[in-house]
Parts: sequence; structure tokens; C-alpha cells
Amino acid sequence: QSALTQPPSASGSPGQSVTISCTGSSSDIGSYNYVSWYQRQPGEVPKLMIYEVTKRPSGVPDRFSGSKSGNTASLTVSGLRGEDEADYYCYSYTGSNIWVFGGGTKLTVL
Amino acid sequence: EVQLVQSGGGLVQPGGSLRLSCAASGFTFSNSWMTWVRQAPGKGLEWVANIKQDGSEKNYVDSVKGRFTISRDNTKNSLYLQMNSLRAEDTAIYYCARGWYAAFDVWGQGTMVTVSS
Repeated sequence: QSALTQPPSASGSPGQSVTISCTGSSSDIGSYNYVSWYQRQPGEVPKLMIYEVTKRPSGVPDRFSGSKSGNTASLTVSGLRGEDEADYYCYSYTGSNIWVFGGGTKLTVL
Repeated sequence: EVQLVQSGGGLVQPGGSLRLSCAASGFTFSNSWMTWVRQAPGKGLEWVANIKQDGSEKNYVDSVKGRFTISRDNTKNSLYLQMNSLRAEDTAIYYCARGWYAAFDVWGQGTMVTVSS
């Protein structure tokens, strides 16, 4: 039940795009399309941004997009805004009814 | 309004027990998988346990197996986490969350559990 691997930090200037990776293995991300992404603003509960790798819940801006290639999932934030500054966590099914989060990435808008 | 309201938590000595509760409203509780997630100070999110709609299936992260028990009462629209043999490393904010398409779309407000002598 090892955590998925995310870079500790990422950054970009307003208007730019930034991509956050989430690396797992052939047993989790590589085997299932059950990857979701969460935004965590300071002092708030996590907010679902992407589910089932690429789908956006109602109300999430289309600036947020998800993808997957092999054992790595990615969250891309386009047209960066100041309010996007937050911690982002990936989450995936690992099989045998066990789930795991990534370690989290702190996104800074320069 | 769809919401999850948590109660319980607090300060407990190592080896002690605590029970967390999560009251659901605004949706059909009995239709949803439910999950507990925690975040230790300075750490990331950690999946702790989940429970199927009718309570017939329960799953746990290895570090809490045999010590924590997840349960639910669909007649009371409530989710529970009984935590026994608590350790310092269990210190965290605990969240309940509603399962939705293999993700979590609704979260409780969180409750702090501190294990310390």
C-alpha cells in the first residue's frame, strides 16, 4: 500500500499551464481507470477536480484536465489563476479493495 | 443540502479508544459507499477504510487493521469509525467522505484526533 508518487512542488505564472504527475505501478494506475484528483485549499476540505482519469465534475472549470499514460496519471491546469494555488492530491484504486493517495503537490502561482 | 457532519474526536492517551461519527443528510445515504480519510500533521491524505452501501464489505489500510472498525447505520444515516489501541501515529484530522464514481464528491468538515500522554 505505497503512496503514489507526486512531485512535492510545482509552479507557474498566471496564464501559463502546469502539469502535475502522479506515478504508480502496473498494479494500480496502470491497471485501472479509477484515478481522481483533489484540490486542497488551506483550511478547507478537499475538493474533487477530476474523476475516472479524465472526467470533470459539474462546476469544475475546463481549465482543469486529467490524463493517463501507462502507470502515470497527470493533472494539467491551463490558464493559471491565483486561486489555483493549493495542494493537489491524486488518488487511485490499487486492486483488492484497497485505495491510495499520492503524497501531494503544492502548486504555487508565481 | 448534501452534507456530512462529523462529531467525536479529541485527545486520547496511547492505547486508548475513540469513536468518530459522521451524520449524512440531503442524499440517500444507503446508496453510497462511505470512506474515512485522514491527514496527519504536515503529511498528505491517507485512505483509512471504506464500507459498502449495506455494510457487507469493509476494507482497511494495513496500518489500522485489527484496531479500527468502520460501520454504518442506514436507519440513522450515520457512519462510524471505532478506533482502539490508538498510537501516536494515528494523530490526524479524520474526514468522512461519500463515494461517487470511484472518487469522493462530498466531505465532512474533519475532526481532530490527538493521541498523546
